[in-house]
Amino acid sequence: RKEVEQDPGPFNVPEGATVAFNCTYSNSASQSFFWYRQDCRKEPKLLMSVYSSGNEDGRFTAQLNRASQYISLLIRDSKLSDSATYLCVVNILTGTASKLTFGTGTRLQVTL
Amino acid sequence: DAGVTQSPTHLIKTRGQQVTLRCSPKSGHDTVSWYQQALGQGPQFIFQYYEEEERQRGNFPDRFSGHQFPNYSSELNVNALLLGDSALYLCASSRLAGGKETQYFGPGTRLLVL
Repeated sequence: RKEVEQDPGPFNVPEGATVAFNCTYSNSASQSFFWYRQDCRKEPKLLMSVYSSGNEDGRFTAQLNRASQYISLLIRDSKLSDSATYLCVVNILTGTASKLTFGTGTRLQVTL
Repeated sequence: DAGVTQSPTHLIKTRGQQVTLRCSPKSGHDTVSWYQQALGQGPQFIFQYYEEEERQRGNFPDRFSGHQFPNYSSELNVNALLLGDSALYLCASSRLAGGKETQYFGPGTRLLVL
């Protein structure tokens, strides 16, 4: 079983649609959680951290359920510029050492 | 404020050769992590350096080694290259503060092994 699992997609949605991505992780010692965005042939860029209380940044809402080991990302009013791969990431801190574990990513294509 | 920088951007090598990739962290960051990203996959953790020492390592063979310098910059070395080492190599920098850490990535080095 992969440590972080995501639906690879692709998700093809029209502009203005709402789209949701889900992710599960297997290591209960995971301590912090993120969504990164990666454009084709570019580096991953931090989209947002994910907190247990849920958090929102403009059109983006992230949720974390530690009991179910489940993370989600909701994108409202999709824009063409949202087209990218969205990576679910968990971080395990061991003392001062940390290790990011990535899902394979979910590809989103927003169309006119 | 310069972000994370990496060099070179692209590299072509042949099997059996050795390669050195370089990374300069974001200003104020003291920790450097290296990742390998194969096509269609998420990045895979190679190792992390802090205070010039490797403090955590992923499931990569000893052919992959690294170094961190006093100015926090880092190198990734890969010996005896295999075709399967062809990938995007990403460096990420961070600073642990208050038990929280966010890693920021450089643009990567695209390595092709022929």
